[in-house]
Amino acid sequence: KQEVTQIPAALSVPEGENLVLNCSFTDSAIYNLQWFRQDPGKGLTSLLLIQSSQREQTSGRLNASLDKSSGRSTLYIAASQPGDSATYLCAVRPVFTGGGNKLTFGTGTQLKVEL
Amino acid sequence: DVKVTQSSRYLVKRTGEKVFLECVQDMDHENMFWYRQDPGLGLRLIYFSYDVKMKEKGDIPEGYSVSREKKERFSLILESASTNQTSMYLCASSLEGQADTEAFFGQGTRLTVV
Repeated sequence: KQEVTQIPAALSVPEGENLVLNCSFTDSAIYNLQWFRQDPGKGLTSLLLIQSSQREQTSGRLNASLDKSSGRSTLYIAASQPGDSATYLCAVRPVFTGGGNKLTFGTGTQLKVEL
Repeated sequence: DVKVTQSSRYLVKRTGEKVFLECVQDMDHENMFWYRQDPGLGLRLIYFSYDVKMKEKGDIPEGYSVSREKKERFSLILESASTNQTSMYLCASSLEGQADTEAFFGQGTRLTVV
């Protein structure tokens, strides 16, 4: 059974710092990995999707990498800002037979960027 | 942009009531999902649907049912609400496909059962 782990569970950094969030998964048979952002009391916002054949994806100050063979992904946030404060979740889409595109989620990293 | 809309942001219901949570997506996605999110437990899949009138149980279906009569709408039904169903409920949708399919979420419904 696929398991997804995110470490650390919480992180506090000063504004302007570059930071890395980690995501690991136990089964490398995945179609893709997706990073989400969740603000308190809100739904999930999709940030980046990396297909299994890709190594990284970039959007603005965000860069996500994928090393499928070792079961790891990182989300790099450059020049962090207080507005980046949120919970970040990663999710993998395992390869399986049948429909549905189900995702397996990590429990998230709660990020606080302080002034 | 894909839009997934949940009918309510906040709901307060009494124990034993029948509760309907509605979700609508506007991008002709085949797949729709209902999750609940609880502190320390993360997101857990309740039910999903991969086509109209098709549904499959997720990891925690007990106490819930679903309905998908139209492609764009997926309803979650709490047959007899209980206090342990107090939670954040999240709806999502995605295209059928493989490596390039992205999931999109609604804004969430915070349900309190008293």
